[in-house]
Amino acid sequence: DIQMTQSPASLSASLEEIVTITCKASQGIDDYLSWYQQKPGKSPQLLIYDATSLADGVPSRFSGSRSGTQYSLKISRPQVDDSGIYYCLQSYSTPYTFGAGTKLELK
Amino acid sequence: EVQLQQSGAELVRPGTSVKLSCKVSGDTITAYYMHFVKQRPGQGLEWIGRIDPEDDSTKYAEKFKNKATLTADTSSNTAYLKLSSLTSEDTATYFCTTGTMGPLFDYWGQGVMVTVSS
Repeated sequence: DIQMTQSPASLSASLEEIVTITCKASQGIDDYLSWYQQKPGKSPQLLIYDATSLADGVPSRFSGSRSGTQYSLKISRPQVDDSGIYYCLQSYSTPYTFGAGTKLELK
Repeated sequence: EVQLQQSGAELVRPGTSVKLSCKVSGDTITAYYMHFVKQRPGQGLEWIGRIDPEDDSTKYAEKFKNKATLTADTSSNTAYLKLSSLTSEDTATYFCTTGTMGPLFDYWGQGVMVTVSS
């Protein structure tokens, strides 16, 4: 199985910062990497797919990138509404595997 | 637009089974793979498996192979997740989800809470 190592587990950021969350894949996943935001009591919502493509309706302050087998989600000048838990998902091969999640708090 | 409507919350006894439904609207269920994801209280997301409603082929994560069974009914545009031999470890929210643009999850059901308790 492909392991996705996500970091950090949690972070607190100000509205002026650039927030970066990373996921490192245990092997190559050919950019079959997506990012999701989940708010309490809600279903996850797709933010980024194919490592760098912005999903419909997602604000442009969200972006994705890759360096080797490490994938990153960046939130530029986050808004209070961006608080929540963020997960990466590899869908290169089954079993699909999620990162452990990053809890983002905006202060 | 695709919508996924899941069945209601369940309170079930240990050792029994439960079958959860996920009804697709806005498109035919055979157009996409249907996946199910587990989330225990306060925990992360786990992929259970997926079904191709076109031919009923399935794939499961190893840990769910003796726990979960995925089926689909094309006449009602509904996918099902059956969980058997329930224990407290199965207490969780279960989501159905699908990807209309490939191997990703762009549509999600609202989730169904399953509580296993005597």
